[in-house]
Amino acid sequence: QVQLVESGGGVVQPGRSLRLSCAASGFSFSGYAIHWVRQAPGKGLEWVALISYDGTNKYYADSVKGRFTISRDNSKNTLYLQMNSLRGDDTAVYFCARESSSWYDADLWGQGTLVTVSS
Amino acid sequence: QSALTQPRSVSGSPGQSVTISCTGTSSDVGGYNYVSWYQQHPGKAPKLMIHDVSKRPSGVPDRFSGSKSGNTASLTISGLQAEDEADYYCCSYAPSHTWVFGGGTKVTVL
Repeated sequence: QVQLVESGGGVVQPGRSLRLSCAASGFSFSGYAIHWVRQAPGKGLEWVALISYDGTNKYYADSVKGRFTISRDNSKNTLYLQMNSLRGDDTAVYFCARESSSWYDADLWGQGTLVTVSS
Repeated sequence: QSALTQPRSVSGSPGQSVTISCTGTSSDVGGYNYVSWYQQHPGKAPKLMIHDVSKRPSGVPDRFSGSKSGNTASLTISGLQAEDEADYYCCSYAPSHTWVFGGGTKVTVL
């Protein structure tokens, strides 16, 4: 079954760190760029980060640059998002999404994992 | 990276057509033919409905169509159906391999 499954969400205090994972199955993970997109409660979608198929190139939204790091392990078919110095406005459902073969859009999304930053 | 501008809500009766606008700048929507649209039902993951401004992925009904003029892209749903009631987000490629989403539009089927 072609799918992405996120994990690692939870409640974390401001200033602390958390690492999210996104496990891929049913397709050739190493052939696709992958994105992280988040959605604050009751709000819209916000693009967070992108990693190229081989992990060579990484891009970030200004709101997370310097605090979040995207990475991947193609041998484990897994994507990661290391989140440091977390703030209240990082509270959101975090989705991983596969960039399609035609580029510039996401044709496969995970179900999301909720991160709550609160003291 | 300012969000693209979408109307907060649109509505229509079954069988009618609705159009959602998505306004950006010459640095995103106007600068590239890489606008996509996503449908999201409550508590669910987004689903790709349109890519590259006007292309429909396999399995998306042809009542969904996309277009662009200048810095504004549009999604039209023709022959509105009850299952089309959802939130819709536009997204554009932007400089330096970043993406920018619109604020979202709630489509209500009356």
